[in-house]
Amino acid sequence: EVELVESGGGLVKPGGSLRLSCAASGFTFSAYTMDWVRQAPGKGLEWVSSISHSSSYKYYADSVKGRFTISRDDAKNSLYLQMNSLRAEDTAVYYCTGSVAARPNWGKGTTVTVSS
Amino acid sequence: QSVLTQPPSVSGAPGQRVTISCTGGSSNIGADYDAHWYQQFPGTAPKLLIYANTNRPSGVPDRFSGSKSGTSASLAITGLQAEDEADYYCQSYDSSLSGWVFGGGTKVTVL
Repeated sequence: EVELVESGGGLVKPGGSLRLSCAASGFTFSAYTMDWVRQAPGKGLEWVSSISHSSSYKYYADSVKGRFTISRDDAKNSLYLQMNSLRAEDTAVYYCTGSVAARPNWGKGTTVTVSS
Repeated sequence: QSVLTQPPSVSGAPGQRVTISCTGGSSNIGADYDAHWYQQFPGTAPKLLIYANTNRPSGVPDRFSGSKSGTSASLAITGLQAEDEADYYCQSYDSSLSGWVFGGGTKVTVL
């Protein structure tokens, strides 16, 4: 069974940095594109970033381009999101997602709060 | 403004059938990318209801069904129950963004 478990969220001041992690299990992690999706309080779902298998391609939403960096460690079955220059509008629950055999899988999320 | 368009709310009496539309464009649903549907309750992660347009994960009641045509997808809930009151989101891939796009969400109210 596919399992995705996020960690690393917390409270950070504007302009600060945070690194999110996602531990994957139950599938051949290295073979699949992985993504981060976020949801601000009371708002809808927003795609943040994607990374292809072998890290060949990385894509970002305009709202985070230049501030966030996605990466993966296939040896550790882990996905990461380095978030720099954080803003209040980055406050959200961040979900790790990945599609296996055309079926999306989501973690339970980790909460990031950007506030002074 | 979401790339995929959903009605903000739909409602129905218990036992009735409701449908939620999800309208996209030529770079997402219309480009033959799959549509997925999620159910979300406050404070919880989205739960996958329908994937690849019409497929139900195990454990999802067959009251939920999905369809896709042209640049749109739809979620139908038949035999509406009080426990179906939640927010519903559609998702697809967009080739111009090289990423996922979502609908703005639809709140289902059981009258």
